[in-house]
Amino acid sequence: QKEVEQNSGPLSVPEGAIASLNCTYSDRGSQSFFWYRQYSGKSPELIMFIYSNGDKEDGRFTAQLNKASQYVSLLIRDSQPSDSATYLCAVTLVKGGFKTIFGAGTRLFVKA
Amino acid sequence: EADIYQTPRYLVIGTGKKITLECSQTMGHDKMYWYQQDPGMELHLIHYSYGVNSTEKGDLSSESTVSRIRTEHFPLTLESARPSHTSQYLCASSEGTRSDEQFFGPGTRLTVL
Repeated sequence: QKEVEQNSGPLSVPEGAIASLNCTYSDRGSQSFFWYRQYSGKSPELIMFIYSNGDKEDGRFTAQLNKASQYVSLLIRDSQPSDSATYLCAVTLVKGGFKTIFGAGTRLFVKA
Repeated sequence: EADIYQTPRYLVIGTGKKITLECSQTMGHDKMYWYQQDPGMELHLIHYSYGVNSTEKGDLSSESTVSRIRTEHFPLTLESARPSHTSQYLCASSEGTRSDEQFFGPGTRLTVL
């Protein structure tokens, strides 16, 4: 089992819809969770981080964390074609000395 | 906005050459990282540093080496480049004390002929 798992996609949603991206992690003691966006040919950029159970909202983005289920998700409301990118989930694991592990990413396509 | 720089942005070089990829950050971050990423593929951690004179190998075996003599500078060196080293190399840094929010440089795309 990988330490951080994401569905590789592609996930395709129509413009204006809600895109839901999911991530599971194996280390129950993990404390920090991040979502990065990576456009094709570009570097990853941090868009959200969450440390506590529940929801965290920033504009059109909402990160959701459920530590009991070891599950973190990213919701993108009113999806735009410019949201088309690969979304990377990253988790800071307690095991191994607080190392951050990136998932393989989910490709999102937003159709105009 | 993150201030992390990588040079060169693109490099085409012949087999057997020695190369050094530069990475610098002006944020005073203690933690720095090197990742390797092929197009459309996942990130692989190849080296990291938690501060000056601290370097560790990452999860992906790499023939490269790194050094951390100054906080702001984390160069990666390949002693003898091979075609298998062709890839995108990404440098990142984080403050590291409260959280590992990583800021990435623009990357160096390396092609070894």
